[in-house]
Amino acid sequence: KQEVTQIPAALSVPEGENLVLNCSFTDSAIYNLQWFRQDPGKGLTSLLLIQSSQREQTSGRLNASLDKSSGRSTLYIAASQPGDSATYLCAPSNTGNQFYFGTGTSLTVIP
Amino acid sequence: KAGVTQTPRYLIKTRGQQVTLSCSPISGHRSVSWYQQTPGQGLQFLFEYFSETQRNKGNFPGRFSGRQFSNSRSEMNVSTLELGDSALYLCASSGAAPVNTEAFFGQGTRLTVV
Repeated sequence: KQEVTQIPAALSVPEGENLVLNCSFTDSAIYNLQWFRQDPGKGLTSLLLIQSSQREQTSGRLNASLDKSSGRSTLYIAASQPGDSATYLCAPSNTGNQFYFGTGTSLTVIP
Repeated sequence: KAGVTQTPRYLIKTRGQQVTLSCSPISGHRSVSWYQQTPGQGLQFLFEYFSETQRNKGNFPGRFSGRQFSNSRSEMNVSTLELGDSALYLCASSGAAPVNTEAFFGQGTRLTVV
């Protein structure tokens, strides 16, 4: 069974800092990996999707990398803003569109 | 383009009752997955439907069931509700290809069992 770990569990940074969120997973036979953010009490918002054949994907201030063989992915957020405060979840998929989730990283960006 | 729509947004039910939740995926999407989110267990996969067929199923008791209609809309049913079923239920919609497509989530249905 796929196990997903995200480090750190919580992070508090001043506005403007660049930061890295880490994700590791136990089963490297994935189809893809998706990063989401979740605001309190809300659904998940898709940030980036990386296919298993890709090494990285970029969207605006976000960059996600994938090292499938070692079971790791990182999400890099440049020039953080208070609006980036949320819980960030990484979710690899091994079968169809079934995603496995870690417990997430709770990010607070202080103005 | 409309997003994923889940109804109702909030529900309060009594232990022992049954409940049906609805999910309308993004137009053109054929895959719908359901997840349960609780503070203690995090996000857990319930099941996935693709073209009206259940393709994957998580480790939940048989009280949890689902179905998908020909227009890709999906319903999830929980029978004989227990207090522990209180959770945020999320559905995700994915594209026409059976795998490797981006998933989009709805806002969820908050179920409270009293």
